[in-house]
Amino acid sequence: NFMLTQPHSVSESPGKTVTISCTRSSGSIASNYVQWYQQRPGSAPTTVIYADNQGPSGVPDRFFGSIDSSSNSASLTISGLETEDEADYYCQSCDGSTLVFGTGTKVTVL
Amino acid sequence: EVQLVESGGGLVQPGRSLRLSCAASGFNFDDYAMHWVRQAPGKGLEWVSGISWNSGNIGYADSVKGRFTISRDNARNSLYLQMNSLRVEDTALYYCAKDIAGGLQLRGFDFWGQGTLVTVSS
Repeated sequence: NFMLTQPHSVSESPGKTVTISCTRSSGSIASNYVQWYQQRPGSAPTTVIYADNQGPSGVPDRFFGSIDSSSNSASLTISGLETEDEADYYCQSCDGSTLVFGTGTKVTVL
Repeated sequence: EVQLVESGGGLVQPGRSLRLSCAASGFNFDDYAMHWVRQAPGKGLEWVSGISWNSGNIGYADSVKGRFTISRDNARNSLYLQMNSLRVEDTALYYCAKDIAGGLQLRGFDFWGQGTLVTVSS
């Protein structure tokens, strides 16, 4: 099975932009959809991006997903950072009938 | 409104069994694949198992293969996870999650339940 590697943590000030990377260890990042999940402390995860770059209804368009085949990675960009964005973020993809989560990134809003 | 409500968690001794249930509402349950995802205390998310709409495509994480069995009852809008030979390392909050799309493929999740806690300890 493949792995999805994320930075352990990122931090930025309110109003700024952060980008979280998600690098696939083997197989093409473009071969299966990538999803991104937000988990605030003490809460269940919620989906902020599905199918690489689609935003569920109710999720602000400050959240943007993308794929880069050259680096075999996906990225989640959060613009106009707000205090409520402070959370853990996980990427996820699949290979056949196996689903894999990324290692998770803690986003801190300074 | 999509709702997923898990139940069946609790304290169980190593080697024993437990059955989790997930009651779904607010969408056409028999159109979508469903999944179980777990999170050990202080750890990240781990996909456990998924099942397509017609039970024709089922997947398991290597860590639970041969011990856990996923199933569904479309008439009851319910998802299940039979957990046998439980280990201390199976201790986690278990979430039920709806797949992002219909069809046979297992892809990812768009809605999550609140979870049910399973504690395996002697």
